[in-house]
Amino acid sequence: GAGVSQSPSNKVTEKGKDVELRCDPISGHTALYWYRQSLGQGLEFLIYFQGNSAPDKSGLPSDRFSAERTGGSVSTLTIQRTQQEDSAVYLCASSLGTGSNQPQHFGDGTRLSIL
Amino acid sequence: ILNVEQSPQSLHVQEGDSTNFTCSFPSSNFYALHWYRWETAKSPEALFVMTLNGDEKKKGRISATLNTKEGYSYLYIKGSQPEDSATYLCAFPNSGYSTLTFGKGTMLLVSP
Repeated sequence: GAGVSQSPSNKVTEKGKDVELRCDPISGHTALYWYRQSLGQGLEFLIYFQGNSAPDKSGLPSDRFSAERTGGSVSTLTIQRTQQEDSAVYLCASSLGTGSNQPQHFGDGTRLSIL
Repeated sequence: ILNVEQSPQSLHVQEGDSTNFTCSFPSSNFYALHWYRWETAKSPEALFVMTLNGDEKKKGRISATLNTKEGYSYLYIKGSQPEDSATYLCAFPNSGYSTLTFGKGTMLLVSP
């Protein structure tokens, strides 16, 4: 079956522009996560959606970052007024349910480069 | 902030060698320990989710052990092959939720 799909795979943009990253999770997965990996760093949690509950936004690094999940499926991560430190690989993952023992299924990521 | 440490940072072995690396995590309030493999230009792939102290899991030539009391897990690869070259990540759930804190990974290179 289809895995987690992310688009675009690569994005190069100028500092100050807004970008929007898309994630289409595995059908039926209620939990959706956004992570990013900056150069030399580990995967960093950004935001978590579970069903119709309010998202856990505790990992968002600034108010320039926002995300939404429409209809409990597709999610978009928006970065406004991009800065060079936003350059990273942004990964989306989904899992069948909540709970610490649920494996997460990742997309291929979006490599974002801010010039 | 949870502290999940992995060692070594990188490892270069020859085809056929067996190897292992370590993940250490907080020993209090244990929920689960995840291992993922991340090959270049691909998406991270779940290897194991371990929940019980003393647990040992195996997938082909890869196995993992868990010690929750002392806060570490070992990942073993027997008879490494070039296709095992990847970054191996461990992750620890945050406060029982399914959001994860990842270690920085061990980058494994297996030369033919």
